[in-house]
Amino acid sequence: GEDVEQSLFLSVREGDSSVINCTYTDSSSTYLYWYKQEPGAGLQLLTYIFSNMDMKQDQRLTVLLNKKDKHLSLRIADTQTGDSAIYFCAEREGGQNFVFGPGTRLSVLP
Amino acid sequence: DVKVTQSSRYLVKRTGEKVFLECVQDMDHENMFWYRQDPGLGLRLIYFSYDVKMKEKGDIPEGYSVSREKKERFSLILESASTNQTSMYLCASRTGAAHEQYFGPGTRLTVT
Repeated sequence: GEDVEQSLFLSVREGDSSVINCTYTDSSSTYLYWYKQEPGAGLQLLTYIFSNMDMKQDQRLTVLLNKKDKHLSLRIADTQTGDSAIYFCAEREGGQNFVFGPGTRLSVLP
Repeated sequence: DVKVTQSSRYLVKRTGEKVFLECVQDMDHENMFWYRQDPGLGLRLIYFSYDVKMKEKGDIPEGYSVSREKKERFSLILESASTNQTSMYLCASRTGAAHEQYFGPGTRLTVT
């Protein structure tokens, strides 16, 4: 079945860039997503990319998609303490349901 | 401001009890979802509903049932709670095929 993999932990220093990686198995995925979960809260959509794109930029966030390798990454420039959260990669084929990865816990050190 | 609310943030139940988790959304969304979130496993879909009185099994429906009598409310039911159902439960809603699912804050259920 469909599978989405992420590393579970990432630590960076405040002001550095963070890169969170994700791999997926379903080559027919139409959209790929990044969600953010802050402590004690539900998930919030950060950004998404259509599968025929290879890059999308939105302020401090850059999403890169390598469709051949089924690899998605989220880069956060100038990482701040408020960026500390769990980041989930998700895919959707075009139907109703998302498949989420296990989440990467980002810790930002002062 | 869009909102998905869940009836409890924390819940402690005993093995064998019947448990109801309630979710309400105020956005008139057709689609509602129940996930459980476990460390290292991410979110796994338990059940979802496209419309009132309609329900579909997700990836891990065993031990759960759902009810959607009104458009705004989607209930998750654990008929006989077991310790392996200790988890964080997240409700979400979405309109049509929109990209964004709106999540509630979650209910952390502990079954002892």
